[in-house]
Amino acid sequence: QQQVKQSPQSLIVQKGGISIINCAYENTAFDYFPWYQQFPGKGPALLIAIRPDVSEKKEGRFTISFNKSAKQFSLHIMDSQPGDSATYFCAASMAHKIIFGKGTRLHILP
Amino acid sequence: NAGVTQTPKFRILKIGQSMTLQCTQDMNHNYMYWYRQDPGMGLKLIYYSVGAGITDKGEVPNGYNVSRSTTEDFPLRLELAAPSQTSVYFCASSEGQGASQPQHFGDGTRLSIL
Repeated sequence: QQQVKQSPQSLIVQKGGISIINCAYENTAFDYFPWYQQFPGKGPALLIAIRPDVSEKKEGRFTISFNKSAKQFSLHIMDSQPGDSATYFCAASMAHKIIFGKGTRLHILP
Repeated sequence: NAGVTQTPKFRILKIGQSMTLQCTQDMNHNYMYWYRQDPGMGLKLIYYSVGAGITDKGEVPNGYNVSRSTTEDFPLRLELAAPSQTSVYFCASSEGQGASQPQHFGDGTRLSIL
């Protein structure tokens, strides 16, 4: 009930391509869905987030697509750049608790 | 603004030793959190605090203790270190109540128990 399933575990994309990371959740009580980006040796940092009453949110090259009925959401990175190489975590939260997915290690080939 | 500061950055402990991981934030955030991150496992919540003097267990609290005597500080204590506690520990803070408040993370403490 509290799990957030994230896929793939790792992803390699050519520079300029589209990176897509998928997540699924079970508990419909979750009301906020953030994505965090983590570089080696650093803590995660909030990248973009969405509420379940919105189907899509875009910030620059980063877009979240949200499917409430399927209980799935995904992160799209357009025109992927080598600087986007990092680990990405999806999460689902309610109140002050956040449940994180296991992470996707993204590598953008130059 | 330093944000969330964690010390030490690295530590090696022997089995059975104890230590305190320090965390301080200068953003006047009420909410603070401790997570552990194991390879391929994401972040697991150990303890959290909604304000000075108030703490509560997260998903994986066994073997750890916390205290919150001030708004700024939220130390995590390991009393009897075990190899299973080898991990990277992250402290985070957030402003106010509500899921939409982003969590601000420190850069972590890498702990090895040998």
